[in-house]
Amino acid sequence: DAGITQSPRHKVTETGTPVTLRCHQTENHRYMYWYRQDPGHGLRLIHYSYGVKDTDKGEVSDGYSVSRSKTEDFLLTLESATSSQTSVYFCAISERWVEQYFGPGTRLTVT
Amino acid sequence: QQPVQSPQAVILREGEDAVINCSSSKALYSVHWYRQKHGEAPVFLMILLKGGEQKGHDKISASFNEKKQQSSLYLTASQLSYSGTYFCGTYDGSGSARQLTFGSGTQLTVLP
Repeated sequence: DAGITQSPRHKVTETGTPVTLRCHQTENHRYMYWYRQDPGHGLRLIHYSYGVKDTDKGEVSDGYSVSRSKTEDFLLTLESATSSQTSVYFCAISERWVEQYFGPGTRLTVT
Repeated sequence: QQPVQSPQAVILREGEDAVINCSSSKALYSVHWYRQKHGEAPVFLMILLKGGEQKGHDKISASFNEKKQQSSLYLTASQLSYSGTYFCGTYDGSGSARQLTFGSGTQLTVLP
């Protein structure tokens, strides 16, 4: 299995609080992605990174920000969590045209 | 734009065959297939590139019709372990970060 971990694995937070999710890889892959998964919607891209300090928006980026200061770490921040951000968040890594490897996921509940 | 998968769900008996389809309204460069078991992360199955041949491993294979922007995943002689949700991810060749757009998934249940 690809060396990719996510933390925390589960989190419950209140509306309006900031939340940061961490993705860590040991594969030295260039590309890193954050997805959210909701019933009926499949996987939707939030933000992605194509190198250190190089990031861009995905399909559902509103309310989220990201940072990548090291090759191995990609952080996803919800500045002020809302109930609509309750979801399962997956991080993924890849190199160019080959497959994406997914982390184990973080289940976030915003009350 | 999200690719359309069909059917949304399928139930079959062990040993039966199944086909899952994925279609897009955009010209595609590649199609990826993933399987996700309940409570787990998606796992890569195969990638089909524009101009490439049909792919397969074990009893799971796939095809890519570039003219119709469609891909099909074929599961032959299904096993219990094939149960899960199958996602196609499409890449239209634009952008620099190999962004995939995923379909909403097909839930496959294999019964003994």
